[in-house]
Amino acid sequence: GAGVSQTPSNKVTEKGKYVELRCDPISGHTALYWYRQSLGQGPEFLIYFQGTGAADDSGLPNDRFFAVRPEGSVSTLKIQRTERGDSAVYLCASSLALAGGPSSYNEQFFGPGTRLTVL
Amino acid sequence: SQQGEEDPQALSIQEGENATMNCSYKTSINNLQWYRQNSGRGLVHLILIRSNEREKHSGRLRVTLDTSKKSSSLLITASRAADTASYFCARHYTGGGNKLTFGTGTQLKVEL
Repeated sequence: GAGVSQTPSNKVTEKGKYVELRCDPISGHTALYWYRQSLGQGPEFLIYFQGTGAADDSGLPNDRFFAVRPEGSVSTLKIQRTERGDSAVYLCASSLALAGGPSSYNEQFFGPGTRLTVL
Repeated sequence: SQQGEEDPQALSIQEGENATMNCSYKTSINNLQWYRQNSGRGLVHLILIRSNEREKHSGRLRVTLDTSKKSSSLLITASRAADTASYFCARHYTGGGNKLTFGTGTQLKVEL
C-alpha cells in the first residue's frame, strides 16, 4: 500500500516569506508526527497529532511554526516569516492509534521529507 | 535537545567486515529503535528492542540493550557496500507519548 507522502519534495524560499508543507499519512493512521532534520543531525521532534488535535507541540521552536490537521488525515506545517536557520529537511511520520498508557507505542512510518531552503 | 548520543560519529570498513555502532540514553525508555537513512532522506526502520529485551536479531542485524548501562549497540555482520548510510538510534522515553528522540547518528561507509 501507499506510504507517507510529503509535498513538495523541495521548497526554496526567501527570508521572510511564508511556507506550507504538506503530509499525507498512511490511510487509517490516526497519529501523525512532524520532525525536523538539520544537516549532519538526527531528526528532532516538532509536534504530534492524535486525530485532529495536537497532543504534544513541545518541539515547535517558536510561534512562527504552526501545524494543523483539520480532518484527522492530511496535515500542513506552516512557517511564517521564514529565517535562514529554518533550512532543513522536514519529515512527517504516521502510526496507528496508541493503545494508551505510558508504555504504549506503535511503529512510526516516515515519509521522504521536504527539503526547505531559505535564502 | 537530543538526549544521549551514538558513537562513533563515522565508521569506514571494508566489505565483508562487521560494523558496530553504539547508542546511549539518559532516562528510562520503553523501547529503542534503529533506523537507516540514505542521502539525508527516507528513514527506514530496521529493528525495535523493548526495555525488557536484551538482544534481537533480524537478518544480518543484531541489537543489544543494556538498561543498567543505558546503552544499546547495533551490529551489522558481513557488511556490503549497500549498507553505506547513516544509522540513527531513536529512543522512546517512558511517559514521553509516542515521540522519538534521535541522536546525531553514525555515518557508515563500506568500501569495496
